[in-house]
Amino acid sequence: QKEVEQNSGPLSVPEGAIASLNCTYSDRGSQSFFWYRQYSGKSPELIMFIYSNGDKEDGRFTAQLNKASQYVSLLIRDSQPSDSATYLCAVSLSFQKLVFGTGTRLLVSP
Amino acid sequence: DAGVTQSPTHLIKTRGQQVTLRCSPKSGHDTVSWYQQALGQGPQFIFQYYEEEERQRGNFPDRFSGHQFPNYSSELNVNALLLGDSALYLCASHERGEAFFGQGTRLTVV
Repeated sequence: QKEVEQNSGPLSVPEGAIASLNCTYSDRGSQSFFWYRQYSGKSPELIMFIYSNGDKEDGRFTAQLNKASQYVSLLIRDSQPSDSATYLCAVSLSFQKLVFGTGTRLLVSP
Repeated sequence: DAGVTQSPTHLIKTRGQQVTLRCSPKSGHDTVSWYQQALGQGPQFIFQYYEEEERQRGNFPDRFSGHQFPNYSSELNVNALLLGDSALYLCASHERGEAFFGQGTRLTVV
């Protein structure tokens, strides 16, 4: 079992719709959870982080964490074509080491 | 304030050669991590430096080594390059548990 699992996609949504990206992790000792966006050929850019169970909202983005189910999700409201990218879920273990999933490719069509 | 900077941006090396990649963290960040991202994969943790010492290491062979200088900048060295070492090499510096990535070095081994 991989430590962090994501559906590779692509996930296709029309412009203006809600995109829902999911991630599961295996280590129950995981403390911090991150979503990064990565455009093709570029480096990952931090979108959101979440430490506690529940929801955290930042603009059009909402991160959801359920530690009991070992599940993290990212919702993108009012999706725009510029949101088309690969979204990486990352889990922090000790000393800020990040374990990444393989990423979900999101395609937002105009 | 400059973010995390890496050099060079692109590099082509021949199998068996050695390579050195460089990273300058964001101002005030004292912890630097290195990641390898193969095409279509999430970044994989190589190692982390703090106070000029290697604090953590991922599952990479001894051909991968590093160094951190008193000004917190860091180098990644790879010896005896293999074709499989071709990847995007990412440096990250850390603040309050968040990792900020540089633009990466694209290494191609031929």
